[in-house]
Amino acid sequence: GAGVSQTPSNKVTEKGKYVELRCDPISGHTALYWYRQSLGQGPEFLIYFQGTGAADDSGLPNDRFFAVRPEGSVSTLKIQRTERGDSAVYLCASSKGGSYGYTFGSGTRLTVV
Amino acid sequence: GQQLNQSPQSMFIQEGEDVSMNCTSSSIFNTWLWYKQEPGEGPVLLIALYKAGELTSNGRLTAQFGITRKDSFLNISASIPSDVGIYFCAGRRGGGADGLTFGKGTHLIIQP
Repeated sequence: GAGVSQTPSNKVTEKGKYVELRCDPISGHTALYWYRQSLGQGPEFLIYFQGTGAADDSGLPNDRFFAVRPEGSVSTLKIQRTERGDSAVYLCASSKGGSYGYTFGSGTRLTVV
Repeated sequence: GQQLNQSPQSMFIQEGEDVSMNCTSSSIFNTWLWYKQEPGEGPVLLIALYKAGELTSNGRLTAQFGITRKDSFLNISASIPSDVGIYFCAGRRGGGADGLTFGKGTHLIIQP
């Protein structure tokens, strides 16, 4: 596609539930990133994929968070047993790899009630 | 957590004024980038800096990569209403495609 597409754009879920957030990167982009942005803060790095593998998952806050990219294109961020503190905008970005700048999607706003 | 100190936190200026914001870090970054974010959207890359001392312009925007590799500034000349938004600095430690560390942002508000 022309840009990075994230679905859903908004998600409201109850505390304790499981959620999946989807990212469709720009076609041909090998690198894919997930960031989390809390209100009034800059984006915070979560995980980076090069192709199908997670090259760096050091930003995942705990084992309730997991991300996959099975075919090297679409990625899914999975959050188990959601907590109110998980409420934030989850941003996805993709790039050609290397030191190229990357393109962000519009994000998924997750609200845990 | 975030390790980039960005200032000022917000700026209220008149249309036509010049704007200056900066970012400092206690550690070295090999790449500095400046992004702009508008409500409901992801950040959009404005300028990327790859070498210490580099000064780069993009239209009315000018940014510099500090010689110590621990700081960067962004200047906007002759501000216009569409410059309103939140500006973020971001640094990358590695030389490749590593994740970025972002500042907390500078909220630019232009008064008529």
